[in-house]
Amino acid sequence: QKEVEQNSGPLSVPEGAIASLNCTYSDRGSQSFFWYRQYSGKSPELIMFIYSNGDKEDGRFTAQLNKASQYVSLLIRDSQPSDSATYLCAGSTGNTPLVFGKGTRLSVIA
Amino acid sequence: KAGVTQTPRYLIKTRGQQVTLSCSPISGHRSVSWYQQTPGQGLQFLFEYFSETQRNKGNFPGRFSGRQFSNSRSEMNVSTLELGDSALYLCASSLGRPEETQYFGPGTRLLVL
Repeated sequence: QKEVEQNSGPLSVPEGAIASLNCTYSDRGSQSFFWYRQYSGKSPELIMFIYSNGDKEDGRFTAQLNKASQYVSLLIRDSQPSDSATYLCAGSTGNTPLVFGKGTRLSVIA
Repeated sequence: KAGVTQTPRYLIKTRGQQVTLSCSPISGHRSVSWYQQTPGQGLQFLFEYFSETQRNKGNFPGRFSGRQFSNSRSEMNVSTLELGDSALYLCASSLGRPEETQYFGPGTRLLVL
């Protein structure tokens, strides 16, 4: 069974620090990966996606993909209290539905 | 461009009843996926529709069904509701392929008493 694993947290970081969120996946055929942010009581919103090995940067966010080690990570620089949310990692092998992890709760302490 | 919309936003039903939820995708999006989200299980895939055809199906009982109309709007139906069906039901749309970026609607929160 295809699985995406995330540490449930909570992960607590001080304001201004770098938050590092990690995700591992079981299916070596996975090709595309997504990070979503979900505030309590709200629906998930896309932060970024990554298809290729290496880093992808978008503002304060950097996604990292290592297909050999089967992990994906999300770095949030200069963390703000407004970044406090649950972060969902999802992967797909292509033409198959996204498989979501259960999410990591991030708490940024002011 | 308007986002994904879902109706109703909140629903209270009793065991044994049935419920129909509606989802309108982003204009131009042809794929609609449905998910159930509960605190214990996270986001679980129900099914995905593309061009009025169910293209993928998750591991849920037959009480859960759906359909898609020619304008890409989708509905899902749950019959014979059980207490465990209480959850947030999320609809997501994408341009065409299920592995593409999906954009979520606000969800329908269902409470079964």
